[in-house]
Amino acid sequence: DTGVSQDPRHKITKRGQNVTFRCDPISEHNRLYWYRQTLGQGPEFLTYFQNEAQLEKSRLLSDRFSAERPKGSFSTLEIQRTEQGDSAMYLCASSLFRHHNEQFFGPGTRLTVL
Amino acid sequence: TQLLEQSPQFLSIQEGENLTVYCNSSSVFSSLQWYRQEPGEGPVLLVTVVTGGEVKKLKRLTFQFGDARKDSSLHITAAQTGDTGLYLCAGRSGTYKYIFGTGTRLKVLA
Repeated sequence: DTGVSQDPRHKITKRGQNVTFRCDPISEHNRLYWYRQTLGQGPEFLTYFQNEAQLEKSRLLSDRFSAERPKGSFSTLEIQRTEQGDSAMYLCASSLFRHHNEQFFGPGTRLTVL
Repeated sequence: TQLLEQSPQFLSIQEGENLTVYCNSSSVFSSLQWYRQEPGEGPVLLVTVVTGGEVKKLKRLTFQFGDARKDSSLHITAAQTGDTGLYLCAGRSGTYKYIFGTGTRLKVLA
């Protein structure tokens, strides 16, 4: 296992389309986080899963955003009816319960909404 | 709302120079982390500090957590071109949520 992986790495879509991103955490990491990062800014917290349970969601996560983590393994983040303001890097991170300070990040998915 | 402010925002120095980056907040954090991020990649964890006044060293990098756990600093001695990147601090807010600073973009020139 080489780390957290995300797919796709880049996504270009037209405004109004739906997009879905996938994150595969490090094996046996039961904590999974999604962040959004815009140019020149630090990552902003979106949501957190412990196993399959979504325990916290940011107010940034509007009704157009939904995240799932079926079976507590990989996770998906879907954005419906994309807007130009959704253009950003979407980062996924995972950690072990007892080492929750140590988040390991994936390479991110860069979304461009035209 | 908890915020982490980093300074300076940008820093360009010559190889061999020393530098310090600051991370400040009006809120107390139970722990604070420093990351380095390169273009097109996710952040990579450098260190976690948890005790007020704690100092940790990682080769040429020295990290300090303020006594009141509201601020932190990162000092780099004899910077190298490989230190170039975006340095981010992040504090744990509540049980699960992490707040990231705006970052300091460092460029080390040969």
